[in-house]
Amino acid sequence: ILNVEQSPQSLHVQEGDSTNFTCSFPSSNFYALHWYRWETAKSPEALFVMTLNGDEKKKGRISATLNTKEGYSYLYIKGSQPEDSATYLCAFPTGTYKYIFGTGTRLKVLA
Amino acid sequence: DVKVTQSSRYLVKRTGEKVFLECVQDMDHENMFWYRQDPGLGLRLIYFSYDVKMKEKGDIPEGYSVSREKKERFSLILESASTNQTSMYLCASSPIAGGYNEQFFGPGTRLTVL
Repeated sequence: ILNVEQSPQSLHVQEGDSTNFTCSFPSSNFYALHWYRWETAKSPEALFVMTLNGDEKKKGRISATLNTKEGYSYLYIKGSQPEDSATYLCAFPTGTYKYIFGTGTRLKVLA
Repeated sequence: DVKVTQSSRYLVKRTGEKVFLECVQDMDHENMFWYRQDPGLGLRLIYFSYDVKMKEKGDIPEGYSVSREKKERFSLILESASTNQTSMYLCASSPIAGGYNEQFFGPGTRLTVL
């Protein structure tokens, strides 16, 4: 059974702190790894699509890395702000149309 | 601004009712999806559609059906709602098939079945 795990489940950080969390996925049959941000009462929105081993992508203060050989991706947030508070989801495609989603990491940034 | 919209943010229905959840996308995407999200579980795929009138079962299709009569609209139907279908339902669309393409999500419908 294919499984995607995210850790931690939740965390609270102070404004200005940097933080990171992990998505673990099957290391075989890798297509891509997606990161989404889901703010309360809003639609999940795509952050990154990671495709190559060693990939590093950046959007503002948020960056992500990918290790396909060992099956993990890290998401980093530098200098967290209250508006970064959200649930961060990763998704692992298993075929043309199907994805396995992790349960998410719920981040709360305290002002 | 591209959008996926869902007909209701919150819905309360009674056991045994027939329930329709509507999703509309304005991006001319080929593929549309229905997921449900429950505490402690990742998003789970109920059904998807890769073209008008075409549909495929996802991982948890039991108790649901779908309809896609027009490219922009994908409906999820609960034929006879049950309490275990209380959940957050998310619709998504994507332009091209394949794991490299991001999905665009609606804001979700929180359904409560009493």
